[in-house]
Amino acid sequence: GDSVTQMEGPVTLSEEAFLTINCTYTATGYPSLFWYVQYPGEGLQLLLKATKADDKGSNKGFEATYRKETTSFHLEKGSVQVSDSAVYFCALSAAMDSNYQLIWGAGTKLIIKP
Amino acid sequence: NAGVTQTPKFRVLKTGQSMTLLCAQDMNHEYMYWYRQDPGMGLRLIHYSVGEGTTAKGEVPDGYNVSRLKKQNFLLGLESAAPSQTSVYFCASSSGGKVNTEAFFGQGTRLTVV
Repeated sequence: GDSVTQMEGPVTLSEEAFLTINCTYTATGYPSLFWYVQYPGEGLQLLLKATKADDKGSNKGFEATYRKETTSFHLEKGSVQVSDSAVYFCALSAAMDSNYQLIWGAGTKLIIKP
Repeated sequence: NAGVTQTPKFRVLKTGQSMTLLCAQDMNHEYMYWYRQDPGMGLRLIHYSVGEGTTAKGEVPDGYNVSRLKKQNFLLGLESAAPSQTSVYFCASSSGGKVNTEAFFGQGTRLTVV
């Protein structure tokens, strides 16, 4: 079945460092791909998404490109801040019972040190 | 903007006790979902609903029941709690089951079964 694999955390970086969180997927059909972020004590919120191959989603300085040839959707940011400390989830939409449901990666905890 | 509201935020149950988690959304969304979040496992879908009066099983439905009597509310019940149900529970809603639809999440309920 469809699945999402994320790099294990925690990932610890210093402020202003470059960030990459890897995400690869297995899917039939043509899923949309998402990154959600969960700040401490909060629910998940959408960070960015891409709906077809070669699309680039971007928000708050984060970017991810939908790579169909490598089945990847890696999250990147050029210069992280302490406020980016959170858990990041990669997800894809998968067909289920004539609808679409989100399939989730395990999450990657990001810790940014000042 | 309230969005998706979950009650309670925290609860401790004894094995065998029952409880109901309430989720309310004010965005007039058709679709609502209950997930559980466990360390290293991402989010797993328990049950979902595609409209008022409908419910369907997700990936891990055993031990849970749900009801959607009103469009804005989605209730998750545990009839006889077990320690394996210790988890963080998230409710989410979305406007539809399309491939690129965003989900909106509540802040979560941390449940401990002792």
